Amino acid sequence: GDSVTQMEGPVTLSEEAFLTINCTYTATGYPSLFWYVQYPGEGLQLLLKATKADDKGSNKGFEATYRKETTSFHLEKGSVQVSDSAVYFCALIPKGGNEKLTFGTGTRLTIIP
Amino acid sequence: NAGVMQNPRHLVRRRGQEARLRCSPMKGHSHVYWYRQLPEEGLKFMVYLQKENIIDESGMPKERFSAEFPKEGPSILRIQQVVRGDSAAYFCASSRGELDNQPQHFGDGTRLSIL
Repeated sequence: GDSVTQMEGPVTLSEEAFLTINCTYTATGYPSLFWYVQYPGEGLQLLLKATKADDKGSNKGFEATYRKETTSFHLEKGSVQVSDSAVYFCALIPKGGNEKLTFGTGTRLTIIP
Repeated sequence: NAGVMQNPRHLVRRRGQEARLRCSPMKGHSHVYWYRQLPEEGLKFMVYLQKENIIDESGMPKERFSAEFPKEGPSILRIQQVVRGDSAAYFCASSRGELDNQPQHFGDGTRLSIL
């Protein structure tokens, strides 16, 4: 079945550091890929997405590129801020599927000033 | 433009009671999804509904759990005879469903605690 494997946390970085959170997937065909962010006590917000190979999703300084050759969708940001502290989830929807999301286990990110 | 509304935000039940969780999708959205998040874990799909129809319930436990999305009113996730293991955050998401892979919009969740 479909699955998403995420870099385990927690991850702690200093402000302005470079961030990478790894995500790889297993799925039939070419799924759509997503990163969601969850702030404490809140629901998930879509951060970015990519729907086909080599697409780059970007939002709020975050980027992720859909790499079919490595089945990966790593999240990156060049300079993190304290306000980026949250839990980040990688997820997929299979092509032609019924839109249910399959999530990774989440990576808790803490940015210290 | 209101987002996905879930209520209550927090629900406390004793073992054996019933829990009812409500979800009103975003305006214009006819597809509803329920997910469960156990402590320190990712979200797991439970059920996918359209108005008056259950499309996919492959993630629902076989007993005690049911879901509906009536023609009028919110979607309801119902848990009968709750047990301690039902303690979790339950999230609802909605989408238009008109195109493949439309992003789902999430509510803030209902945090269910079983005493």
